[in-house]
Amino acid sequence: AQSVTQPDIHITVSEGASLELRCNYSYGATPYLFWYVQSPGQGLQLLLKYFSGDTLVQGIKGFEAEFKRSQSSFNLRKPSVHWSDAAEYFCAVGGRTTSGTYKYIFGTGTRLKVLA
Amino acid sequence: GAVVSQHPSWVICKSGTSVKIECRSLDFQATTMFWYRQFPKQSLMLMATSNEGSKATYEQGVEKDKFLINHASLTLSTLTVTSAHPEDSSFYICSARETYREGVSGRFYEQYFGPGTRLTVT
Repeated sequence: AQSVTQPDIHITVSEGASLELRCNYSYGATPYLFWYVQSPGQGLQLLLKYFSGDTLVQGIKGFEAEFKRSQSSFNLRKPSVHWSDAAEYFCAVGGRTTSGTYKYIFGTGTRLKVLA
Repeated sequence: GAVVSQHPSWVICKSGTSVKIECRSLDFQATTMFWYRQFPKQSLMLMATSNEGSKATYEQGVEKDKFLINHASLTLSTLTVTSAHPEDSSFYICSARETYREGVSGRFYEQYFGPGTRLTVT
């Protein structure tokens, strides 16, 4: 069955420090992978996505993610965090389920706190 | 492009009443739309998948009679919470997937999310 694991529920970093948010997935075929950010009371904003090709994906707001098939991972990185990056981050995997339907499965999220 | 709207963005209703939430794809046609529910500080949980012109497919544990979904056109899906109770209070998010086009790969699988509707039942 499809699943997504975000091991870190909370992460705190200082402004200007680098960031890595972890995401591991379980899926039987090549997955479609996404990272979303959500500010309190707001909807989801797509940061980046991976469908195929180059395994290092560039997104908005200076974020990037690397797809590693051997590790079943799609970790999100940013070299220098800004205070405005404080939010909830969700990793999602999309694909066809065993029943033939297309769905997204979301991870539990990682809440990022940025210290001034 | 690929904009999805939801209306209303915030609604308060009294216990026992029904409330309807609309989800619209503004600049594309969406054969399939999805409804998610999100409790505070939790992840998104898929409630149901709606396909234009057919019955919605509900996830296990979701009450079909409480959460009525109608997808009457290629740009509109509605979620009606019937006989709402305080435990139905939540953040409801819809998403839409563009109608399949021959020769276009990848994008077919992408869902575009609406801004969400906060429902508070008093």
